[in-house]
Formats: sequence, C-alpha cells, structure tokens
Amino acid sequence: DGGITQSPKYLFRKEGQNVTLSCEQNLNHDAMYWYRQDPGQGLRLIYYSQIVNDFQKGDIAEGYSVSREKKESFPLTVTSAQKNPTAFYLCASGFRSLNIQYFGAGTRLSVL
Amino acid sequence: GESVGLHLPTLSVQEGDNSIINCAYSNSASDYFIWYKQESGKGPQFIIDIRSNMDKRQGQRVTVLLNKTVKHLSLQIAATQPGDSAVYFCAETSNSGNTPLVFGKGTRLSVIA
Repeated sequence: DGGITQSPKYLFRKEGQNVTLSCEQNLNHDAMYWYRQDPGQGLRLIYYSQIVNDFQKGDIAEGYSVSREKKESFPLTVTSAQKNPTAFYLCASGFRSLNIQYFGAGTRLSVL
Repeated sequence: GESVGLHLPTLSVQEGDNSIINCAYSNSASDYFIWYKQESGKGPQFIIDIRSNMDKRQGQRVTVLLNKTVKHLSLQIAATQPGDSAVYFCAETSNSGNTPLVFGKGTRLSVIA
C-alpha cells in the first residue's frame, strides 16, 4: 500500500515534554515537508528536506526539530520550547524536480 | 477569495450549480500554481495545477483559470456535488522545483443538497 503514513493520528503532550511525530513515505520522493495548520487557517511551513542528511527551516521553525537520516523518513520533534503546540501537523512529500506535494493524513497534537 | 483572520471565507452553493473559488496570489515571480482540496480531519489532496505559460486548464469537472496581470487564480467546479464540500487552497511557487509551495488561507465550500 503506497503513500505517506503519519503516526500517531492523535498525540497528547504534557508540559515540558518533547514529542516526535512520524512521517514515512514509500513513493521514492526526494523531498519531504512538515506543515502546521491551526483551526480555520492555511498551512505554514515548519521544515523541509530535499535530500537525505539535509534540511532547511521554513517560516515557523522555532520550537521544532527534524532529521532526515533516510530517504523514506522525516520525523518532526515538537520540543518544550514550542509554547503553543496544539495544532494539526501535516507531512508532505514530492519529487525535487517537480512542485507537486502529496500529503499524509495528519497528526492532531494537543496539550494536556 | 482570501482574507486575514481566524475565519475562512465560505462559499455556499446549491447542489448541481457551478462553483467558483478565487485566490489572489502574492508573488509576481510565481509561475506554478496548484489547487488542493482538504476534507475535514484529512490531509490536502491535489486537484489540478497550472503553469504560467497557460491561462486555462481543464480536468474532470474542474477548470483552473490564471490571470497573471492581476495575480488571480480561480477554480471552477461544474455541477457541484455534496462530496465537493471541503476547504480549497491555492498554492504558488516558482517552477525551479527547489522553492517550497506557499499556501493561501483557503475557502470553505458548502454544498446545499
């Protein structure tokens, strides 16, 4: 079953805790992206990676960290420095030579 | 259309009518545009794209129009169905492949049966 898999679907974070959101793709895409979506809002870019072992900050990278050790995987860590983490997080991937991005089903993060 | 703030602009249409969703893009250097559909609680789905060397592109029941002079993009949905109810986003970028997409704030389409 091909596609982009995000897990978990729902995640709860305690005060001061770091949490990691998983994103895996088996589409052989070079590039992967993380977006944050707040209620009634558009998508804001957190981080993106166009090749393995390289990534760039997006518009709202503060309080987040990523790694890209494998082509298939681009996990996002929401650190305790992110004071307002409650949001819907979307992972996307695509071929670097093209601009179309394909999205996972999202992870909804809430603070306990 | 686009707006700033917490509330998405909403378009309500009768089932069977045509829908037109508008988007004003910001960067005159953008030369590639995509429309996405996002249903509640799901990730956005690709609908249709258009490059700046075109002013119209048609898909199945959808048409995208591009007016570069006024930096305006529209998505037309023919014979709107209840399954078309969703939030629609336009996204822009340059065609280099190395520039991330920039998304608009979205328009909610509600189809009245």
